Amino acid sequence: EVQLVESGGGLVQPGRSLRLSCAASGFTLDHYAMHWVRQAPGKGLEWVAGISWNSGSVGYADSVRGRFTISRDNAKNSVYLQMNSLRAEDMALYYCAKASGGHYYYYIDVWGKGTTVTVSS
Amino acid sequence: DIQMTQSPSTLSASVGDRVTITCRASQSISSRLAWYQQKPGEAPKLLIYKASSLENGVPSRFSGSGSGTEFTLTISSLQPDDFATYYCQQYNSYSWTFGQGTKVEIK
Repeated sequence: EVQLVESGGGLVQPGRSLRLSCAASGFTLDHYAMHWVRQAPGKGLEWVAGISWNSGSVGYADSVRGRFTISRDNAKNSVYLQMNSLRAEDMALYYCAKASGGHYYYYIDVWGKGTTVTVSS
Repeated sequence: DIQMTQSPSTLSASVGDRVTITCRASQSISSRLAWYQQKPGEAPKLLIYKASSLENGVPSRFSGSGSGTEFTLTISSLQPDDFATYYCQQYNSYSWTFGQGTKVEIK
């Protein structure tokens, strides 16, 4: 069974950092692009970042560019989101998501259950 | 960035109704559009990809159409399990963007 399990969320003060992890199982990670999508409480979905199968292409939403970094370790079947200089508006449920192919022009076909990030002093 | 505009934001309908949701892109995205369904407390679920291709296991009452900048999601006969929020999303270029969502409510 294809599965994505996020971890690393929690309560963090504004300006601090947090690293999210996504453990993939049930498929060969290095064949697929991966993404992070977030959802603030009561709000819609917002794409955060994406990374191609070999890390050769990455993309970020304007709202996080320069503060967040997406990376992957195919040998460890894991994807990461390093979040620096966190702001109140970054507070959300963060989903890890698998694309249907290796590059940015493939849609998301599998979602994790998400990990919650709370930014508050 | 490409902006995705969904309409309506909320839709009240009855079981058995035909429902149509529209999604407009601020520039052409070819057919690189997906539709997702999300229920409260759950992760989104893929319904349609490449504008009109039905994901495996999704009931045939769901259909998608369009290309370029205008897209629609149609539910031919609304069922109780379909009351949820629906999102369109373009994957034509980074940055990806979602529509703001359409909540389908019971009338």
